[in-house]
This record gives sequence, structure tokens and C-alpha cells, in this order.
Amino acid sequence: NAGVTQTPKFRVLKTGQSMTLLCAQDMNHEYMYWYRQDPGMGLRLIHYSVGEGTTAKGEVPDGYNVSRLKKQNFLLGLESAAPSQTSVYFCASNIQGNYGYTFGSGTRLTVV
Amino acid sequence: GEDVEQSLFLSVREGDSSVINCTYTDSSSTYLYWYKQEPGAGLQLLTYIFSNMDMKQDQRLTVLLNKKDKHLSLRIADTQTGDSAIYFCAEVKEGRRALTFGSGTRLQVQP
Repeated sequence: NAGVTQTPKFRVLKTGQSMTLLCAQDMNHEYMYWYRQDPGMGLRLIHYSVGEGTTAKGEVPDGYNVSRLKKQNFLLGLESAAPSQTSVYFCASNIQGNYGYTFGSGTRLTVV
Repeated sequence: GEDVEQSLFLSVREGDSSVINCTYTDSSSTYLYWYKQEPGAGLQLLTYIFSNMDMKQDQRLTVLLNKKDKHLSLRIADTQTGDSAIYFCAEVKEGRRALTFGSGTRLQVQP
């Protein structure tokens, strides 16, 4: 029972490079979320998904894209990384009607 | 202003009680949560309270909700050094799915 798994755990990118962060959950949860955490600012919602094939913008979506082709996976893409995207990224999921959110352990991304 | 506000830092001595406070602005909040984050780790759900409750107790943890003042608190009894972490208050607003977080309170427990 892995819960929510994020890969990779750490990554360093150069400005302008692209990458995809993967979030996988094995709990058959409907809803999935991507947050970023910056010092002193708590977690802010980037994008979320309420089901396979659907995505929606959160509070800070600019510079990111997402896809939910399979129910268990939620991908976060950075097309052209910028230093402002240096952050810790957390994925979370929960089941419809149940507000018990499960978080992954995070991906620490540094853009130089 | 921010949707959810918390003080940044709290220091207590081991064995004392800790009280971490949170204020929120949206009266439509349905669930309110407390999460714990240890250094380099993800978020661990400590407890949550539904908006029609005033209090919830779970072992050493007591959550108090004052809906009139939109104030939420987390009391940790007999605080231990292992309780040192950042504590986040979060809410779910009616009709929405995602959590909205406060900026976190760093709890330091001194031996």
C-alpha cells in the first residue's frame, strides 16, 4: 500500500529546460492535486483534477501544464523552467465525498 | 488579505501545552484541518473538524473552533521534542475540492 508516490524526489534544472513530475496513487482516488510550497507561504494550489481526463487551474497555474490520462496518475509539466519555479512540489489525492487528503513526500526542484 | 492566517513561530518547553492559532476569512468553510510537517518530509494529517462542531479531542490533541470569530486552535498537551515541526491550518470551502493552507507555524520544543 504505497499511497501517493512522487517521482523524482530531487531535481536540478537549468533555466529553459523542461521536465515532468509524476504523481501516482494506488487508492483509486477520484481527485488529485498539485501544490507548491515556498518558504513562509504555505502550500499553494497549482492545478487539480476531479477525474480521469479532466484538469482545472488552481491559484498559481502559470508556467505549468498537467495531464490525467489515467485515473491513478497526475503529471505536472514545466515546459520552460524558470528560477521562480524553484520550490518543493507536493501531490495529494482524495476520494469523492471523503475529505481525507493523502499527500506524497514531495519533489524538491531547483532551477538554476 | 490571506484566506488563512497563522503566527509564524511558537516556542515551548517540553511537558508544557502548546496552542497554535489560525484565523480564516470564509464563513463557508466546511472542514478545517491541522497538518504536521517535519523537516524534509511531506504533510501528515493530524486531525480535522467539521464546521458544525465546536471541539474535537484526539489523545493529546484538542481542536477548538469559534465560528463567530472564524478562529481555529490546536492544543497539544504534554508537548514532546518529537512534536517540533511546522503545523499548517487548512480549510475546504463549500463547493470546492482543494485545500487552502495557512503559511504554517513552526513549533520549537525545548528540552
